[in-house]
Amino acid sequence: GEDVEQSLFLSVREGDSSVINCTYTDSSSTYLYWYKQEPGAGLQLLTYIFSNMDMKQDQRLTVLLNKKDKHLSLRIADTQTGDSAIYFCAERAITSGTYKYIFGTGTRLKVLA
Amino acid sequence: NAGVTQTPKFQVLKTGQSMTLQCAQDMNHEYMSWYRQDPGMGLRLIHYSVGAGITDQGEVPNGYNVSRSTTEDFPLRLLSAAPSQTSVYFCASSLTQRGTFYNEQFFGPGTRLTVL
Repeated sequence: GEDVEQSLFLSVREGDSSVINCTYTDSSSTYLYWYKQEPGAGLQLLTYIFSNMDMKQDQRLTVLLNKKDKHLSLRIADTQTGDSAIYFCAERAITSGTYKYIFGTGTRLKVLA
Repeated sequence: NAGVTQTPKFQVLKTGQSMTLQCAQDMNHEYMSWYRQDPGMGLRLIHYSVGAGITDQGEVPNGYNVSRSTTEDFPLRLLSAAPSQTSVYFCASSLTQRGTFYNEQFFGPGTRLTVL
């Protein structure tokens, strides 16, 4: 079945780069997403990548996709205290002809001042 | 646009009680879904709907019912609450689940449910 895995915690110092990793299992995934969840709030889409791309850059965010290894990463440059949140990796997979969004466990990023 | 709204924000139930979590969106989105979020387990799909009158089960549907009589509303019913249903529930919607459009999902603020 579909599965998306992430490490649970990451701690970095303010100003450093953060790299959050994710692995997924469904090779039929067409889009992969990164969502951010701040305390007490819902999830907000940060960025996404189409499966025929291997990199996407959006200001401080860089997404790398290794389709062969089914590995996705999110790099946040110059990490700020406001980046402290839970980051979810998600894939849009097809099951029995229907699209479903499969989420990882989330990585809690703590930024130390 | 209000986006995706959920009520209530918080709820405490006793075991065996029933209740309905409300979800509404005003973006004319076809696709709506319910997730539960538990520590260390991420978001798990409970039920989803690809349009009015059409619903289907997700990963963890037991103990929950849904209906989609209008495009806007997608209520989640707990028939007989159990402590294992203590969780944070998120409703989400997207324009469509078809095709190659990236289909951003918009999430509601969540309902924090405690079952005693």
